Amino acid sequence: GNSVTQMEGPVTLSEEAFLTINCTYTATGYPSLFWYVQYPGEGLQLLLKATKADDKGSNKGFEATYRKETTSFHLEKGSVQVSDSAVYFCALTLSGGSYIPTFGRGTSLIVHP
Amino acid sequence: EAGVTQFPSHSVIEKGQTVTLRCDPISGHDNLYWYRRVMGKEIKFLLHFVKESKQDESGMPNNRFLAERTGGTYSTLKVQPAELEDSGVYFCASSPGGTGRTGELFFGEGSRLTVL
Repeated sequence: GNSVTQMEGPVTLSEEAFLTINCTYTATGYPSLFWYVQYPGEGLQLLLKATKADDKGSNKGFEATYRKETTSFHLEKGSVQVSDSAVYFCALTLSGGSYIPTFGRGTSLIVHP
Repeated sequence: EAGVTQFPSHSVIEKGQTVTLRCDPISGHDNLYWYRRVMGKEIKFLLHFVKESKQDESGMPNNRFLAERTGGTYSTLKVQPAELEDSGVYFCASSPGGTGRTGELFFGEGSRLTVL
């Protein structure tokens, strides 16, 4: 079956530190990959996505590259801010399928001033 | 444009009681999804509506859970009778139908259910 594995949190960083949140996946077929973010008191919202191998998704200073050879989609940001504190979820959908995302367990990020 | 709204935001009930969660999707979105997240674990798919029809309910845990989507608009998820393991955050999401589908889902803030 399809699954997404994320690194366990919480990840605690100081402001302006470099961020990496690891995500690997298992899928039958050719998935599209997503990062969603949930800020405190809000619903999940799409942060970025990539639909094929070697694509790079980017938004708000965050980036992730779809690596088919390592089945990974790691989230990175060069300099985090306190406002980036949130829970980050990696997800996949199968192209041409039902578009029902399979999510990871989420990684909590805490950024201190 | 209003987003996905869920009600209640938090419900505390005793084991054996009934709870009904409601979701109002974004207007015009044919697809509606229910997910559940138990503390610290992955967000698990429960079911998927296309308009008023259940397209996929493979994630529903058991027959204590009943989901409906009246007239293809809002949806309700009823848990009867509730058990301790039903505690968690229930998320509703919606997405456009047809060529509007991109894989992106639009989520509500979630309904936190605590069963004592």
